[in-house]
Amino acid sequence: KAGVTQTPRYLIKTRGQQVTLSCSPISGHRSVSWYQQTPGQGLQFLFEYFSETQRNKGNFPGRFSGRQFSNSRSEMNVSTLELGDSALYLCASSRDVNTEAFFGQGTRLTVV
Amino acid sequence: QKEVEQDPGPLSVPEGAIVSLNCTYSNSAFQYFMWYRQYSRKGPELLMYTYSSGNKEDGRFTAQVDKSSKYISLFIRDSQPSDSATYLCAMSAGNNDMRFGAGTRLTVKP
Repeated sequence: KAGVTQTPRYLIKTRGQQVTLSCSPISGHRSVSWYQQTPGQGLQFLFEYFSETQRNKGNFPGRFSGRQFSNSRSEMNVSTLELGDSALYLCASSRDVNTEAFFGQGTRLTVV
Repeated sequence: QKEVEQDPGPLSVPEGAIVSLNCTYSNSAFQYFMWYRQYSRKGPELLMYTYSSGNKEDGRFTAQVDKSSKYISLFIRDSQPSDSATYLCAMSAGNNDMRFGAGTRLTVKP
């Protein structure tokens, strides 16, 4: 059974640009959550999508957005990149709410 | 005060030792408690998933949850060098919004 797949694995962008990250969940999982991991703040919840609808949102500015497609694949977009957006972005897949969540390998974003 | 407190360590133990990792939390709404293991440059790997108070055992790993004290633990028996990683506690109120501890860096020396 394939795990959670995130692409790309590494990304370097310039301040002010925008970026789109992709996450393919485990087959049969309909919930996709996104997290940001930094050395200073640790793992922080960005948002969660279920059946193409955003169900929960963390305390991040509106520059961070996402969407989910009918096949449960999800994308996350960050606009007007700032140096502080440099982080490991992780996607977690789960069957539904209150079920085990499995992470992908993450996308390491560096903003220069 | 952070919602989830976890001692970042580092923690170093000899091979074969019993390792005890702990987290405390302040939000009484948390009902689901998880432990993840994260190797360098990898995504977190789910080790244990528990609901409410009690113990759960899986191989060399035992998770304990004491909701009355807002305290959770992970025990690793017969620790191996391959257990060297960062261990993250996580918890949620049942809405897939997991709150994580800072992670404890563990080294098991041969």
